[in-house]
Amino acid sequence: AQSVAQPEDQVNVAEGNPLTVKCTYSVSGNPYLFWYVQYPNRGLQFLLKYITGDNLVKGSYGFEAEFNKSQTSFHLKKPSALVSDSALYFCAVRVGNNAGNMLTFGGGTRLMVKP
Amino acid sequence: GAVVSQHPSRVICKSGTSVKIECRSLDFQATTMFWYRQFPKQSLMLMATSNEGSKATYEQGVEKDKFLINHASLTLSTLTVTSAHPEDSSFYICSASRQGRSYEQYFGPGTRLTVT
Repeated sequence: AQSVAQPEDQVNVAEGNPLTVKCTYSVSGNPYLFWYVQYPNRGLQFLLKYITGDNLVKGSYGFEAEFNKSQTSFHLKKPSALVSDSALYFCAVRVGNNAGNMLTFGGGTRLMVKP
Repeated sequence: GAVVSQHPSRVICKSGTSVKIECRSLDFQATTMFWYRQFPKQSLMLMATSNEGSKATYEQGVEKDKFLINHASLTLSTLTVTSAHPEDSSFYICSASRQGRSYEQYFGPGTRLTVT
């Protein structure tokens, strides 16, 4: 079975400061890891993914994430937060290079960026 | 590219009636579509996976006779909530995987269902 944990329900950060949203995973096999963002009453928007290769993945809107196999983590980061980054963020994992395989989502972390 | 639409975006229906939600891949062929349900302030829960031309595979605990899924073409999947109850009120989101881009799923904007 595969699982994803986002240990923080909410992360508060001041605008201009760096942000980190944590994600750890558990799979049997090579993980395919994703970050999505959700704005109120909207669907999910893809931010970035790790499939293979460089452990540091750069995505949309200045976000990046680092795959750490030994710590089974895939934390989302941004050097300088914007108020408009305030949203709900989901980490997800899938085993296997087949989008027909099930995505398992973490519980979500609400990011609040204050001016 | 890779746009997924859902219709309607919001729907209110009375208890006991049925409501259909459409999920369309607008500019690609979707070999697989997924239906998720999201409760307020919670994560997405996968309800079912459907492949074009095949019966949907439902997750444990999801009633297949209540949540009817049809994936009749490579660009359209529908979810019909039958005999709706207030507890079916939720945010329903579909996603689609794309031929040739097997590692990505593309999400629709979601449908807010309210059953009165």
